[in-house]
Amino acid sequence: DAGVIQSPRHEVTEMGQEVTLRCKPISGHDYLFWYRQTMMRGLELLIYFNNNVPIDDSGMPEDRFSAKMPNASFSTLKIQPSEPRDSAVYFCASSLTGDGEKLFFGSGTQLSVL
Amino acid sequence: GQNIDQPTEMTATEGAIVQINCTYQTSGFNGLFWYQQHAGEAPTFLSYNVLDGLEEKGRFSSFLSRSKGYSYLLLKELQMKDSASYLCAVRKGGYNKLIFGAGTRLAVHP
Repeated sequence: DAGVIQSPRHEVTEMGQEVTLRCKPISGHDYLFWYRQTMMRGLELLIYFNNNVPIDDSGMPEDRFSAKMPNASFSTLKIQPSEPRDSAVYFCASSLTGDGEKLFFGSGTQLSVL
Repeated sequence: GQNIDQPTEMTATEGAIVQINCTYQTSGFNGLFWYQQHAGEAPTFLSYNVLDGLEEKGRFSSFLSRSKGYSYLLLKELQMKDSASYLCAVRKGGYNKLIFGAGTRLAVHP
């Protein structure tokens, strides 16, 4: 298996622009997670899905952030409009089940908002 | 709420043993993970403890005491490639929701 695939690897954009991050989980995994990592706050859970349904979005910073999972093999995280404080590495992860199964992380998207 | 504490940085010598501690205070505790993250890379799974005691896996071992809200990761026979950040993560509730600590940056020197 190719593992969790994220795109793009790097994104540089200007403040106010829309940013869309993409993720393809490992085939057969029922859970998908979006995390954000910064030096100041470490690795923070933004939202996670079970069988394409959002279960917990309490970590989403504000209304500028939205996430979708239209099918079992694809998810997006959108920021509109983007701000400099959104600069971070965004990781997508998936797990087989929710019962203590380990998370497999993608390589991340390094986002820089100027 | 939840609080997960780890030392920020540690240094050790190649071939030695190092113990990285993690303390936590959280409601709905349902297991503890350790992940390794090399600079510029994604976190990778090391261990999972849900019951009290020691789990050994090669050079790495992880210990959990639920009554004390305490875990440690033990790395033996340190190698240069073990230089990385080590993240303690608490699983909350019935789903696989993980809350991560800030991580411990380990530097292994010759």
